[in-house]
Amino acid sequence: SVLLYQKPNRDICQSGTSLKIQCVADSQVVSMFWYQQFQEQSLMLMATANEGSEATYESGFTKDKFPISRPNLTFSTLTVNNARPGDSSIYFCSSWDWGDAEQFFGPGTRLTVL
Amino acid sequence: GDQVEQSPSALSLHEGTGSALRCNFTTTMRAVQWFQQNSRGSLINLFYLASGTKENGRLKSTFNSKESYSTLHIRDAQLEDSGTYFCAAEAGGYKVVFGSGTRLLVSP
Repeated sequence: SVLLYQKPNRDICQSGTSLKIQCVADSQVVSMFWYQQFQEQSLMLMATANEGSEATYESGFTKDKFPISRPNLTFSTLTVNNARPGDSSIYFCSSWDWGDAEQFFGPGTRLTVL
Repeated sequence: GDQVEQSPSALSLHEGTGSALRCNFTTTMRAVQWFQQNSRGSLINLFYLASGTKENGRLKSTFNSKESYSTLHIRDAQLEDSGTYFCAAEAGGYKVVFGSGTRLLVSP
């Protein structure tokens, strides 16, 4: 299994500011994924992050708005730039343990933008 | 368009009873997972299936890739089973598409 830790677990920020969400895995993983979940809704894949390369973004998510870094095999950072109230949601990082064929999620970061 | 259609959107069960959740897929999926999201928001992986049926305690899941659907059966529901259940289908590579979720409430 893969244990994923996120920091912070919640944050409140003002519109127009930027914030960073960190994800740390307890073992090396090839890919990390970032998901967005609005309240009472499903999870949407935002992007896939591999070490040493630019993240691949899904439709509706851009590098300018949500830059992602993946400096090594255990760490990733998601930044929310120019935060707006519409960005208020829970952000999850995720990875796979292909040995067990199982996807794991971090505990999530609940973001509120005022 | 939406690739994963999950039903029902909400479900109420009395303790000890059971029911089934279903996900239909509009495209061919390689595998499916089922997750429970608890009241704290944590996502717990219940099953991963590339085909066939798996059972774990009071839960059983089936994935029929030919007919493009998956089910999650819950029997003898307990209060702690309350939460939101998601199916998540693997379209290819690492790309996973989540269903819209089923909010389950188990009452005494």
